Amino acid sequence: EAAVTQSPRNKVTVTGGNVTLSCRQTNSHNYMYWYRQDTGHGLRLIHYSYGAGNLQIGDVPDGYKATRTTQEDFFLLLELASPSQTSLYFCASSDRNERLFFGHGTKLSVL
Amino acid sequence: GEQVEQLPSILRVQEGSSASINCSYEDSASNYFPWYKQEPGENPKLIIDIRSNMERKQIQELIVLLDKKAKRFSLHITDTQPGDSAMYFCAAPPNYGNEKITFGAGTKLTIKP
Repeated sequence: EAAVTQSPRNKVTVTGGNVTLSCRQTNSHNYMYWYRQDTGHGLRLIHYSYGAGNLQIGDVPDGYKATRTTQEDFFLLLELASPSQTSLYFCASSDRNERLFFGHGTKLSVL
Repeated sequence: GEQVEQLPSILRVQEGSSASINCSYEDSASNYFPWYKQEPGENPKLIIDIRSNMERKQIQELIVLLDKKAKRFSLHITDTQPGDSAMYFCAAPPNYGNEKITFGAGTKLTIKP
């Protein structure tokens, strides 16, 4: 079973704070994704990448940066966190036209 | 990216009956159609998928139907059990290089005892 590990599992910060969410996959997958999940909105794509150094814009990118440092590691950065970014964040990895493997999620609260 | 419409958003069925969820997509070149199940407090997990060279696929009580001409696919859960209560998501990844995978809005399925 493919492994995707997210850290931290829970994070609380204040408005204007700086937050980095980490994701590591050990599946040798090319594609990695960051989604946020909110009640009533399902899974919304923030950013994704198809390899180290590559970054693609998703559907809800405002207020987020991301960086893919290696094939294994994909980071999501909130440089000025706002309460509207309180959400459950999922990272996922896959190969092209194959299933997604999700991490267990990071619950972020911005006070 | 591919827009995927998923209906219904909420579905309640009696235990033992069937449940059906429908998705429609835009890109006629899409060729892979997965379904994910997310139980409360868990991450989404693939439960069944179908590729465009098939019209029907069944794994135990799960059936997926694909109508490429209408650009629709559906998930049918037969003989539903309490453990089928969950969120279900469909996706239709575009069949070109950048793999922007977006999901339908999800269906909350509740099985009534």
